[in-house]
Amino acid sequence: DIVMTQSPDSLAVSLGERATINCKSSQSVLYASNNKNYLAWYQQKPGQPPKLLIYWAYTRESGVPDRFSGSGSGTDFSLTISSLQVEDVAVYYCQHYYSTPLSFGGGTKVEI
Amino acid sequence: QVQLQESGPGLVKPSQTLSLTCTVSGGSISSGGYYWSWIRQQPGKGPEWMGYIYYSGTTFYNPSLKSRVAMSVDTSQNKFSLNLNSVTAADTAVYYCARVHSSSSDARYFDSWGQGTLVTVSA
Repeated sequence: DIVMTQSPDSLAVSLGERATINCKSSQSVLYASNNKNYLAWYQQKPGQPPKLLIYWAYTRESGVPDRFSGSGSGTDFSLTISSLQVEDVAVYYCQHYYSTPLSFGGGTKVEI
Repeated sequence: QVQLQESGPGLVKPSQTLSLTCTVSGGSISSGGYYWSWIRQQPGKGPEWMGYIYYSGTTFYNPSLKSRVAMSVDTSQNKFSLNLNSVTAADTAVYYCARVHSSSSDARYFDSWGQGTLVTVSA
């Protein structure tokens, strides 16, 4: 099974500043035959379900602001919020879909 | 736009069976193209994928739960269901139903979620 590990557990960022969240998989989630990384990012606000932000490691879901960006390949990935807004306060999760069982990271809480 | 809504008891006794249903609106389960999933989230933890089902009834379960979990689909009512037996306090969680992006490709991320329902296991 692939284990997803996120860091840090939490971070505090000033409004308008950059926030970077890291996600590491226990084995590569890069599929060689199509050169795609099987990784997604979600945002979860209190009392709400997770919301898909990014898939294939860096493709933004429709309607997601362009201040959110994903990067990385293989086993190491990052989600960056380029200019933190009040509405970005949330917990962020990475998820691999390289193989079953699908699994999520433990989450990173972003605060102001 | 597809919408999902979970329903079922909020309290289940230990050793009993947890049963939940997800009603899908804004799209037909039987049209194919998607898997339909159950995901749970224990307090303060990351989500845990439990499994997913296709409209034909084909299922894929998380091996960590495989002996206790069963999913079914009712295309006539556009619903799918979860049964988890022999529950303990460790099964207390918010349970979500969700749509897997695609069944025809390997894009197994979740693009639509229900609001979730808290199930507490307690005597």
